Amino acid sequence: SQTIHQWPATLVQPVGSPLSLECTVEGTSNPNLYWYRQAAGRGLQLLFYSVGIGQISSEVPQNLSASRPQDRQFILSSKKLLLSDSGFYLCAWSPGSYEQYFGPGTRLTVT
Amino acid sequence: GDSVTQMEGPVTLSEEAFLTINCTYTATGYPSLFWYVQYPGEGLQLLLKATKADDKGSNKGFEATYRKETTSFHLEKGSVQVSDSAVYFCALSDNFSGGYQKVTFGTGTKLQVIP
Repeated sequence: SQTIHQWPATLVQPVGSPLSLECTVEGTSNPNLYWYRQAAGRGLQLLFYSVGIGQISSEVPQNLSASRPQDRQFILSSKKLLLSDSGFYLCAWSPGSYEQYFGPGTRLTVT
Repeated sequence: GDSVTQMEGPVTLSEEAFLTINCTYTATGYPSLFWYVQYPGEGLQLLLKATKADDKGSNKGFEATYRKETTSFHLEKGSVQVSDSAVYFCALSDNFSGGYQKVTFGTGTKLQVIP
């Protein structure tokens, strides 16, 4: 069966510091991968998606970036965090059908 | 563009009460419809889905029927439990666009079940 992992689970970072969040998927190959952000009490905002290694598409311009160095690895990064980057970050994958499957999330607090 | 509208919460029910969470959608094509559930501090879990008109998705006592004529996908459960307390998201996925499945989510409805 397929599983999706995210780490770290929680993170507290000062403004202006760098960020790296990692997501890996097991038990499947060539998945579509997604990064979402969920602000407190709000819905999901799609940040990036990837249909293959090295292929990244951005939905919202911001100071975040994403990379996919391996087939089942998806990384979300920032060079300098802003207060507004605080939120719950969710990675998801889809097998080529319409549903998406989510990881456990990373709670990021920028202080 | 595509959109999903859910009833605003929070919804507070007593244990064993009947649950309905309304969801309506707007889409240009023939979308697949989903309900996801998010327990506190966790990611979203796919609860049920329906891929064509008149399909009924069901799981863990929850049901939703794809109504094309009313563009709705209301979530129902006959008897809720305290453990059902969570945030519920309605979502749709339209046809492949650019090689990926774009999923449009509603804003979520928080359900609180009290003993």
